[in-house]
Amino acid sequence: EPEVTQTPSHQVTQMGQEVILRCVPISNHLYFYWYRQILGQKVEFLVSFYNNEISEKSEIFDDQFSVERPDGSNFTLKIRSTKLEDSAMYFCASSEGQVSMPYGYTFGSGTRLTVV
Amino acid sequence: QKEVEQDPGPLSVPEGAIVSLNCTYSNSAFQYFMWYRQYSRKGPELLMYTYSSGNKEDGRFTAQVDKSSKYISLFIRDSQPSDSATYLCAISTVDSNYQLIWGAGTKLIIKP
Repeated sequence: EPEVTQTPSHQVTQMGQEVILRCVPISNHLYFYWYRQILGQKVEFLVSFYNNEISEKSEIFDDQFSVERPDGSNFTLKIRSTKLEDSAMYFCASSEGQVSMPYGYTFGSGTRLTVV
Repeated sequence: QKEVEQDPGPLSVPEGAIVSLNCTYSNSAFQYFMWYRQYSRKGPELLMYTYSSGNKEDGRFTAQVDKSSKYISLFIRDSQPSDSATYLCAISTVDSNYQLIWGAGTKLIIKP
């Protein structure tokens, strides 16, 4: 069964450093997302991406965050200057298209980001 | 008022029991209702989705939506230890471009 792949599974970084979280969505999917889950808290929407541009973003997704689809297969989330409160599980997800979107997305296994 | 409320549990039941997991929501405009299962250190996995009031069955799982009460449920029959996981409800609407709004997740433990 096709899956969304995320790397690395765990990233430890110093506060103030830049990190790039990587995702390979399912190949025929057109919509891509990043969500995060702080330990013990709800899953939160960060950003959605379609046709090489951001289609929607939340208040969490401030200027420290950016997304990119550099080569047609990878989908990355960059955090420019990490803060302690950025420590969380970051999930990438993809969806085939608008018809299937109401019925949920396929999520990757997540990257656990620890900022020290 | 929180948009989606879900008791975080944990909920511990013996193997073979019927499990009932529930969420309430505040916005009557919500249209699509999903249940995800999340094992430890894994991403959410879509279990079931529905958009109308009533029941939808898939094997041992039944999703129920009551739009008049703004209440959704997931029932698991003949529960197995492998069902032990966190179950998250998620809701979306076309107005929010199908952005998922999540419950807190209920941790379910099935005791052998």
